[in-house]
Amino acid sequence: GEEVAQTPKHLVRGEGQKAKLYCAPIKGHSYVFWYQQVLKNEFKFLISFQNENVFDETGMPKERFSAKCLPNSPCSLEIQATKLEDSAVYFCASSQMGQLRYFGPGTRLLVL
Amino acid sequence: GQQLNQSPQSMFIQEGEDVSMNCTSSSIFNTWLWYKQEPGEGPVLLIALYKAGELTSNGRLTAQFGITRKDSFLNISASIPSDVGIYFCAGQFAGGTSYGKLTFGQGTILTVHP
Repeated sequence: GEEVAQTPKHLVRGEGQKAKLYCAPIKGHSYVFWYQQVLKNEFKFLISFQNENVFDETGMPKERFSAKCLPNSPCSLEIQATKLEDSAVYFCASSQMGQLRYFGPGTRLLVL
Repeated sequence: GQQLNQSPQSMFIQEGEDVSMNCTSSSIFNTWLWYKQEPGEGPVLLIALYKAGELTSNGRLTAQFGITRKDSFLNISASIPSDVGIYFCAGQFAGGTSYGKLTFGQGTILTVHP
């Protein structure tokens, strides 16, 4: 079936440690999006890619967050020196055309 | 930043009742979307609206794109227990790099009592 895959499902990090999250978009989808959902259920757009190129990165906290989508590899979202407020569920979504229909199951990051 | 105000925050209803929720925005959107999220999962797209005044149905769900383009509502008729979840509205601007860059409402938590 068509599914966006995200790994790991859960991630626990001590404050200051690095966290790396992965997303495998649906085959054939050229757009990838990352969203952050914090405790109050609010979704925040982080970054989007068109193939391996950054499409829009206006939501990224640039000091510690970075993301890549390289050919033939899962996309990744990396947080250097995690902070307590980075605790959230991080969702990846992919699309080819049309509306954002396919979200992954999310990675739950807990920073202690 | 952009804000979507979604109400109500939560609803507790009996099975069989109709449900209505809405979103208002300070900005004009070109697309309104409605999603449902269940525990431990990502949001699932329910309905997409593209034109002011558009009324679209998907089974027991009906959504409308407000004429001012600053609001939208979602109705669920004859609710059933599996309607339980969090419903989100989302708006999208047109053009440039806005594709897929959604502004979400705060969500409406729906509980349905059998």
